[in-house]
Amino acid sequence: KNEVEQSPQNLTAQEGEFITINCSYSVGISALHWLQQHPGGGIVSLFMLSSGKKKHGRLIATINIQEKHSSLHITASHPRDSAVYICAVSPDMEYGNKLVFGAGTILRVKS
Amino acid sequence: NAGVTQTPKFQVLKTGQSMTLQCAQDMNHNSMYWYRQDPGMGLRLIYYSASEGTTDKGEVPNGYNVSRLNKREFSLRLESAAPSQTSVYFCASSPRRGSGTQYFGPGTRLLVL
Repeated sequence: KNEVEQSPQNLTAQEGEFITINCSYSVGISALHWLQQHPGGGIVSLFMLSSGKKKHGRLIATINIQEKHSSLHITASHPRDSAVYICAVSPDMEYGNKLVFGAGTILRVKS
Repeated sequence: NAGVTQTPKFQVLKTGQSMTLQCAQDMNHNSMYWYRQDPGMGLRLIYYSASEGTTDKGEVPNGYNVSRLNKREFSLRLESAAPSQTSVYFCASSPRRGSGTQYFGPGTRLLVL
């Protein structure tokens, strides 16, 4: 079983829809990261969080440490949001000190 | 600031050939990383350097070597390329090892025939 699981693997939405991408992890962590990768493009860090909720524009990230679960929400989705969204965790010292990545969620927003 | 730069952007090799992927960062970061990304799989750590002068193996180090030349530069070498090393390679850096935000380079697409 992978240490970081994302769902769904693929997601197609209509422009304007509210989108949720989920991430579950099985190890103790010091932080969780959400990253974005556009087709053929580089990887950009969107959020790093260790508790609660963070918001940046139309993007909202939440984390529940007790349930080992995080969600990334996109409000009023737009075709330019089409990308791969990657969840990654920083395991705490007990598990080693490196990022562990999920396989990513491919999002396509149609106009 | 250029951030994290990688060269080359694209390379085709024949099986058995060698090459070095270059990575440099101008953010004065201590830690640097090399990942590979394959379809359907998450990024996998090949090697990392927590600080200048140190390197450690990651999840998939076989067939690769690295050099942390100085604080700015971290290179990845394939001594004898194999088709299984066809992948997209990303270099990243962070102010500190572990929980800090990582900044990624644009990637190098490698095809081994």
